[in-house]
Amino acid sequence: DAGITQSPRHKVTETGTPVTLRCHQTENHRYMYWYRQDPGHGLRLIHYSYGVKDTDKGEVSDGYSVSRSKTEDFLLTLESATSSQTSVYFCASTLKPSTGELFFGEGSRLTVL
Amino acid sequence: AQSVAQPEDQVNVAEGNPLTVKCTYSVSGNPYLFWYVQYPNRGLQFLLKYITGDNLVKGSYGFEAEFNKSQTSFHLKKPSALVSDSALYFCAVEGGGYSTLTFGKGTMLLVSP
Repeated sequence: DAGITQSPRHKVTETGTPVTLRCHQTENHRYMYWYRQDPGHGLRLIHYSYGVKDTDKGEVSDGYSVSRSKTEDFLLTLESATSSQTSVYFCASTLKPSTGELFFGEGSRLTVL
Repeated sequence: AQSVAQPEDQVNVAEGNPLTVKCTYSVSGNPYLFWYVQYPNRGLQFLLKYITGDNLVKGSYGFEAEFNKSQTSFHLKKPSALVSDSALYFCAVEGGGYSTLTFGKGTMLLVSP
């Protein structure tokens, strides 16, 4: 398995507080992604990165920002968490996006009260 | 924009019987199609992909998928189901910037002993 880890794995926070989720990969993959998983919606793309300091928005980017200062780290920030952002967040990475073979982390379960 | 539909929320099959998990897609141009599997409390794992060539694609754990262009379908199949195949299965299509994947809502496969 590709070395991709997410932290924290579980977090409970209150509405209005900032939250940062971290994704770390040791595979030197250029491309990284943040998805959220919700019942009835499957996985939806939040943001992705195609290199250091190169990021773009996905399908559900409102309320989220990302940063990629190093190849191995991709941070997802909720500036002011809302209850609608309660979800399971997955990070993924790949060397070649054209292959479609993404390697996923174990997920971060976020609860916003 | 590309999209994927998985019409069944859940598929039930007895161990030893063949299984099919359905997927239909919508995309402009040639489709790049994928299946992923998610076990409880884990990230997604790549199963197989169709890029071009033979309509029957073989993947991991004895799974295969049949691409049908006229019906815009990419159904996942296995000749003989195992209890350990019980998991959540996602179909995905490639599209968008930098080959991002769009996932279906997922189908829960339950294999009974």
